[in-house]
Amino acid sequence: DGGITQSPKYLFRKEGQNVTLSCEQNLNHDAMYWYRQDPGQGLRLIYYSQIVNDFQKGDIAEGYSVSREKKESFPLTVTSAQKNPTAFYLCASSPRLYTGELFFGEGSRLTVL
Amino acid sequence: SQQGEEDPQALSIQEGENATMNCSYKTSINNLQWYRQNSGRGLVHLILIRSNEREKHSGRLRVTLDTSKKSSSLLITASRAADTASYFCATDAVGLTGGGNKLTFGTGTQLKVEL
Repeated sequence: DGGITQSPKYLFRKEGQNVTLSCEQNLNHDAMYWYRQDPGQGLRLIYYSQIVNDFQKGDIAEGYSVSREKKESFPLTVTSAQKNPTAFYLCASSPRLYTGELFFGEGSRLTVL
Repeated sequence: SQQGEEDPQALSIQEGENATMNCSYKTSINNLQWYRQNSGRGLVHLILIRSNEREKHSGRLRVTLDTSKKSSSLLITASRAADTASYFCATDAVGLTGGGNKLTFGTGTQLKVEL
């Protein structure tokens, strides 16, 4: 089945450690996105990618990094520079940048101990 | 800052009743979308309404858009316990950085449908 796969579902990290969240899609979509969700705050855009080997900062990119070496993959690294990384992270894709609906993965919940 | 704000923040109804939630936004848009999120899961797209449309239906869902008031409403008719979820509106607006349209999500309405 076509869709977006995020892994891991749950992740625990100690302060000072970098962690990488995986996002893979087999929908043949050009655009991919990372959102952060905190309770009561809706979704905030971290990074987005319009096409392979290209990505742009969103509203809250500080402390995060991404890569887009393959069309199918858009991993997100939460670095130790992110002050408050505990959150629910959602990856999404669309055929082209912000045209129509976004297709979301099931999310990854990161907890910093 | 959030472009869309949903109202109410939380809504509790009985099965079979209708549920109405509203979304207000600040700037001109090209389209407005509604998404649903079950607890701890990803978002699922429900419906998209363009700025030149006033009303749209999809099954038990009815969405209205009033661009003069910068508001939209989502009506779920004959609600079911399975409709229990959070509902988000998302609006597109020209990106401030000039990088194309940007989709901005509201804070959501938590709907609980009780048996």
